[in-house]
Amino acid sequence: EADIYQTPRYLVIGTGKKITLECSQTMGHDKMYWYQQDPGMELHLIHYSYGVNSTEKGDLSSESTVSRIRTEHFPLTLESARPSHTSQYLCASSDVGGNEKLFFGSGTQLSVL
Amino acid sequence: LAKTTQPISMDSYEGQEVNITCSHNNIATNDYITWYQQFPSQGPRFIIQGYKTKVTNEVASLFIPADRKSSTLSLPRVSLSDTAVYYCLVGEGYSTLTFGKGTMLLVSP
Repeated sequence: EADIYQTPRYLVIGTGKKITLECSQTMGHDKMYWYQQDPGMELHLIHYSYGVNSTEKGDLSSESTVSRIRTEHFPLTLESARPSHTSQYLCASSDVGGNEKLFFGSGTQLSVL
Repeated sequence: LAKTTQPISMDSYEGQEVNITCSHNNIATNDYITWYQQFPSQGPRFIIQGYKTKVTNEVASLFIPADRKSSTLSLPRVSLSDTAVYYCLVGEGYSTLTFGKGTMLLVSP
């Protein structure tokens, strides 16, 4: 099984608060991703990274930011949470190679009141 | 990136074989075909991956015709716990993989 962890599992927070969603993997994967998914809807890629000090924006525009200071850690930050940010956030990782296989964490369900 | 098309939903009964077909007409030479399963409130889980012909593991089989413009995920003897959304993705290691809407499989008793 994949060793990729997300915390917290659930987060309820008020509008305007700064939040950081944590994601860590112990597989030594170079590539990491953040996806956003609303209930019953498809996953949207919001950020990805090819390795340390590499971050890219995904297909869906997001007000969040990410950092990649260490290979195993890929946190996502919202400087000022809004109700429109309410969603499930899924972190994933993979090896860089010809047949990419994604490993996902259990996700963080964020509710902004 | 190759775009994929899958049925929105499928229904089945316990013990039946389920085949979900995915179309990917503009698949590139270096692209692999990967299927994922997702339960509610969880992240997707890798099921199977292939490049051509047939691949089988302990969970499923993947059939890919010679032109690679489609693929079929086959789930033998499904159970209630196979009720989930199934995604077909096409891409290679240096591309950003995009999830479509997937196929919602409902298995009934």
